Amino acid sequence: KAGVTQTPRYLIKTRGQQVTLSCSPISGHRSVSWYQQTPGQGLQFLFEYFSETQRNKGNFPGRFSGRQFSNSRSEMNVSTLELGDSALYLCASSPGTSGINTGELFFGEGSRLTVL
Amino acid sequence: AQSVTQLGSHVSVSEGALVLLRCNYSSSVPPYLFWYVQYPNQGLQLLLKYTTGATLVKGINGFEAEFKKSETSFHLTKPSAHMSDAAEYFCAVRNPGAGSYQLTFGKGTKLSVIP
Repeated sequence: KAGVTQTPRYLIKTRGQQVTLSCSPISGHRSVSWYQQTPGQGLQFLFEYFSETQRNKGNFPGRFSGRQFSNSRSEMNVSTLELGDSALYLCASSPGTSGINTGELFFGEGSRLTVL
Repeated sequence: AQSVTQLGSHVSVSEGALVLLRCNYSSSVPPYLFWYVQYPNQGLQLLLKYTTGATLVKGINGFEAEFKKSETSFHLTKPSAHMSDAAEYFCAVRNPGAGSYQLTFGKGTKLSVIP
């Protein structure tokens, strides 16, 4: 079974530009979450989608947005990039089925964004 | 609100020695607890989890952790360190009834193994 796939793995942008990151969850998983990882702040929750609906959002400015498609694939977008947006962006998926579900997250390898 | 504290941002052990990585949490309800490992330039991999039941949980690669409610702790241990254990380890907590799979992570502990 293929794991969580994130593209691109690495990218470099300049301040003011925008970026779109893509995530393909494990087949059958309906929940997709995004996290930002930086050396200073650690792992911070961005948002979570379940069946195309955002059901939770972290404390990030409106420049950060996301969406989920009917096939559960997800994208996140960051507009008007700032130097501080340089980070590893991790996507994670979870089955999200009914019944007992610990909500274990399966992570992709991340997209490393550098803003110059 | 939930929080996780990992004592020691960097821990060094000799190969073959005991590994002990500390994690304390704060939660208003009995939480689900997780330990993840991250190797350089990779994502996070689940080592083990506690949800309900037995408080001593075993994970992959010989790691185990014990949930101690009275101490609000979930320390990670391994009897004998291997060079391949060198990585960063993250403790995380989730509220089971929150209707979301959001995890709150600790800052991480980087484990170095000295040959």
